[in-house]
Parts: sequence; structure tokens; C-alpha cells
Amino acid sequence: GQQVMQIPQYQHVQEGEDFTTYCNSSTTLSNIQWYKQRPGGHPVFLIQLVKSGEVKKQKRLTFQFGEAKKNSSLHITATQTTDVGTYFCAGRREAGNNRKLIWGLGTSLAVNP
Amino acid sequence: DGGITQSPKYLFRKEGQNVTLSCEQNLNHDAMYWYRQDPGQGLRLIYYSQIVNDFQKGDIAEGYSVSREKKESFPLTVTSAQKNPTAFYLCASTRDRGRIEVNTEAFFGQGTRLTVV
Repeated sequence: GQQVMQIPQYQHVQEGEDFTTYCNSSTTLSNIQWYKQRPGGHPVFLIQLVKSGEVKKQKRLTFQFGEAKKNSSLHITATQTTDVGTYFCAGRREAGNNRKLIWGLGTSLAVNP
Repeated sequence: DGGITQSPKYLFRKEGQNVTLSCEQNLNHDAMYWYRQDPGQGLRLIYYSQIVNDFQKGDIAEGYSVSREKKESFPLTVTSAQKNPTAFYLCASTRDRGRIEVNTEAFFGQGTRLTVV
């Protein structure tokens, strides 16, 4: 079945270093979403990308959607301790009746102060 | 305030008992989902429903059951057939009608931590 692979599974950085997580789908996606889950919390929506090659920024976070709409990345510049958590990508298939989200397994980010 | 509410936050179950987790949303969303999350793991789909009176099995439906009698409610029953039910359960909803590019984000409840004692 369709999968969304997310790497790395874990990342440990010093505060101030950059961080990137990558998602790759086996099939073309209609859109991709990114979520953040703080320790002990629930996933919270960050952003949705729809267009081929789209790039969106939220302060220190940069999100990209690949030209083929099969891969995406989240890059955090100069990490802070408030960035700690697990980052998930979730994609939706192109068309069809089944539009449920397909989730990556997440990347857990730890930041040393 | 619109949102999605799960209850209880913590639940303890004796082996052999069925328990039901509540999930209610007032977002007027069509689709609702139940996920299971184990420590350090991602989200695994248990069941989902795209419309009232209809639901589909997810990837790990064995030992679970659901109902969708009302648009606002999607309760999950963890049956005694579920061999390893201790986990964090998350309910989510999405607005799934219309253009797929518009506002299809998932809203999550606060989760229910189920422990078998």
C-alpha cells in the first residue's frame, strides 16, 4: 500500500544548530501537511503544501514540496529549546474517494540548551 | 470554541474488560479518525469514518470497534480481544468535502491514555 517514509527517526542538536526532516511518498500526493507534537501532547497542524515546488516559511521554519509532489521537507534554522517535539508529515492521495491522511512515522527532535 | 474533545484523559482497564473512549467534535467535520500511538512511535490508524453511519477499518482494527450514529460523535471500544491495549489513543477530525486544497487539516483531541492493570 501507499507509504510515506520519514527520516531521520531521531535528531539531537545543540541549540542554534539547524535541523531538517524529510518525507518521501511512493505515489504522487495531492497535498502534504506538517504537524508538531510536543512531549505529552497531541499533534498540532503547522502548514499545508499543495503546489508542485511550493515553498512556505513560518519564521525559522521552511517547508518545501517537491516538483513531483512525492517528497517534502521541513527545515528549522537556529533551533531553540521550544522546537523540541516530534514532527510528522501527512499526505493525501491524488483524487479518489479515499482521502484519508497517510502519516509518516515522525522525527523526534531533541535540543540541548 | 469549536474543537474536538476526548474523554477520559486517563483510563485504567482490567484485563478482559471492554472500555469505550469518547470523541466528540463541534467543527461540523465529515471525517473522523482513531489513531493509536505507542511510546516513541508514529500514528497508526485504527478506524476512520468519512460520513455518518459508515466507517472503515484502518491498519490495526483487530480488537477494536466503532460506531458513527451522529456526525459529532465517533466512540471507540477497546475490546478484550485487543491483546496489548495499553497506549495513547488520539481522535481526529477533518473537513473532507469540497476541494482537497482547502482547509483539510486534521484537528486532534487531547488524547486518552489507556493502561491495562
